[in-house]
Amino acid sequence: DIQMTQSPSSVSASVGDRVTITCRASQGISSWLAWYQQKPGKAPKLLIYAASSLQSGVPSRFSGSTSGTDFTLTISSLQPEDFATYYCQQANSFPLTFGGGTKVEIE
Amino acid sequence: EVQLVESGGGLVKPGGSLRLSCAASGFTFSSFGMNWVRQAPGKGLEWVSSITSGSSYIYYADSVRGRFTISRDDAKNSLSLQMNSLRVEDTAVYYCARVVVVAGQTYWFFDLWGRGTLVTVSS
Repeated sequence: DIQMTQSPSSVSASVGDRVTITCRASQGISSWLAWYQQKPGKAPKLLIYAASSLQSGVPSRFSGSTSGTDFTLTISSLQPEDFATYYCQQANSFPLTFGGGTKVEIE
Repeated sequence: EVQLVESGGGLVKPGGSLRLSCAASGFTFSSFGMNWVRQAPGKGLEWVSSITSGSSYIYYADSVRGRFTISRDDAKNSLSLQMNSLRVEDTAVYYCARVVVVAGQTYWFFDLWGRGTLVTVSS
């Protein structure tokens, strides 16, 4: 199974900050990676798929990039509505696996 | 409106059974692979099972294989998850989720989610 290791597990930031979250795959997954945002009591929301493709309707301050087996989600200027938990997910092979999550909190 | 609505959750004793359903609307259900993803209280997301369009291929997480069965009824725009031999560790919110399809190509990412249904396994 492909393990997805997400870091950090939590980050404290202020409105306007640039925030970077990393996900490392235990083996090569090409660009088969997605990022989701989840707020308490709500279903996850797809932000980025195929490592860097922005899902329709998602603000352009969210972006994704890749370097080998390392994947990065960047929020260029954190907004109040961005405080949430973020998950990565690999879709290279079954079983599909998620990272452990990164909670973005208000500093 | 494009949406997924889960139902069927509840409280069940260990060893018991439960059947979850997911009603789809607003899109051509038969054209999409579908999935179940769960989230234990206070924990992260865990993929459970997937079924391709046409039910050609079915996949399960090791943790549920042999106990859970995914199925779909395209005539009724419905996805189901039959859960048998339930364990305490199956306690979670279960989400139904649709795959991403771009230019006819399926990507096993999830672009549409239901609100979830809570399954509690406890004596």
